[in-house]
Amino acid sequence: DAKTTQPPSMDCAEGRAANLPCNHSTISGNEYVYWYRQIHSQGPQYIIHGLKNNETNEMASLIITEDRKSSTLILPHATLRDTAVYYCIVRSNTGNQFYFGTGTSLTVIP
Amino acid sequence: NAGVTQTPKFQVLKTGQSMTLQCAQDMNHEYMSWYRQDPGMGLRLIHYSVGAGITDQGEVPNGYNVSRSTTEDFPLRLLSAAPSQTSVYFCASRTGYNGYNEQFFGPGTRLTVL
Repeated sequence: DAKTTQPPSMDCAEGRAANLPCNHSTISGNEYVYWYRQIHSQGPQYIIHGLKNNETNEMASLIITEDRKSSTLILPHATLRDTAVYYCIVRSNTGNQFYFGTGTSLTVIP
Repeated sequence: NAGVTQTPKFQVLKTGQSMTLQCAQDMNHEYMSWYRQDPGMGLRLIHYSVGAGITDQGEVPNGYNVSRSTTEDFPLRLLSAAPSQTSVYFCASRTGYNGYNEQFFGPGTRLTVL
């Protein structure tokens, strides 16, 4: 069974916040949540990761629910260059295996 | 730094042929891994290595072999190609053993097996 579930596609107006949800209801205590994005079938690029607490970096914010069963990636001011497929990923306890979901195709509309 | 490089970019094989996909990184990363991506799907881990001489299986290892004789290189071998192995293959690397660090992905190899 898939470790993460994401909506297949979303649209967002340029300049607005993009909120991408992810369900990971079977996540265990030491498994981290990672987000990567893939533009035009290139290699995926790292965005952010977290365990329990909300995280923020220069690209995005990650909000993880208290029960850790779901999370939301927030791109605060979406630009056209943010159009990509966004993957929510669970990293195994050992840190050696990453389980990708099927991704959300985000289209930023001018 | 060139980062993570993969060769070839494209490859067409006939069923039963063998080949090696090359992956190299110049960042002195201990951890390297191979993924495959099928149309409309996320990436799935094939094999990974936490250092020279150490490899292990991921989610979908059948039909693939790996070895890690140097820190820099992590080749993926298809022993007898099958149409089900038609996919895009990505190599990735990161520093450290604990998995907290960002993985860097290569540009991918598009493989078609006829």
